[in-house]
Amino acid sequence: QSVLTQPPSASGTPGQRVTISCSGSSSNIGRNTANWYQHLPGTAPKLLIYTHNQRPSGVPDRFSGSKSGTSASLAISGLQSDDEADYYCAAWDDSLNGVVFGGGTKLTVL
Amino acid sequence: EVQLVESGGGLVQPGGSLRLSCAASGFTFSSYWMSWVRQAPGKGLEWVATIKQDGSEKYYVDSVKGRFTISRDNAKNSLYLQMNSLRAEDTAVYYCAKGQSSWIEWGQGTLVTVSS
Repeated sequence: QSVLTQPPSASGTPGQRVTISCSGSSSNIGRNTANWYQHLPGTAPKLLIYTHNQRPSGVPDRFSGSKSGTSASLAISGLQSDDEADYYCAAWDDSLNGVVFGGGTKLTVL
Repeated sequence: EVQLVESGGGLVQPGGSLRLSCAASGFTFSSYWMSWVRQAPGKGLEWVATIKQDGSEKYYVDSVKGRFTISRDNAKNSLYLQMNSLRAEDTAVYYCAKGQSSWIEWGQGTLVTVSS
């Protein structure tokens, strides 16, 4: 059981906007920054969002992040077939003295 | 261009040991925290360990404490993970990643299989 809670699956049609939630606690997201990763099988994970809502260079602005209290969210607008992947939230946890991940959300583009 | 290249993975029996290496290039290795992250077959991503720039601080996930040791050699631009008393549940692809908790650069991963 993961420290951060994500829905196991999400789906949308091309062009739609989808949101993936990540629920944490006061020791992780409530106090530290949330990051989001995209992972395709057989490849290295890709950082999509850091410090709740910042995008690394090269990540399209279709991807956005937000935080409210002890939860974070990833929004993907203008959904594309290439977005079909697993998405993970992560944050440093002050109680565990380490990084905790969500269980991952498998995004399907219908 | 930042490059992280892991090596040292393979098949090992339960209770055995393995040492993973990560060769870094394209950035000032000694200026960055470094981490190991793994993914077991059919499972999600799991952080394993993190080490400070000078090696003075090290953090581990509870499941590997006392069995794994993260270390680095800044003169060789290399990161290591010494894995002892390996268990079947340690079977995973192990990635090295640049940074403490926001990882933009990752290696391609090395597969560790613990099985008799």
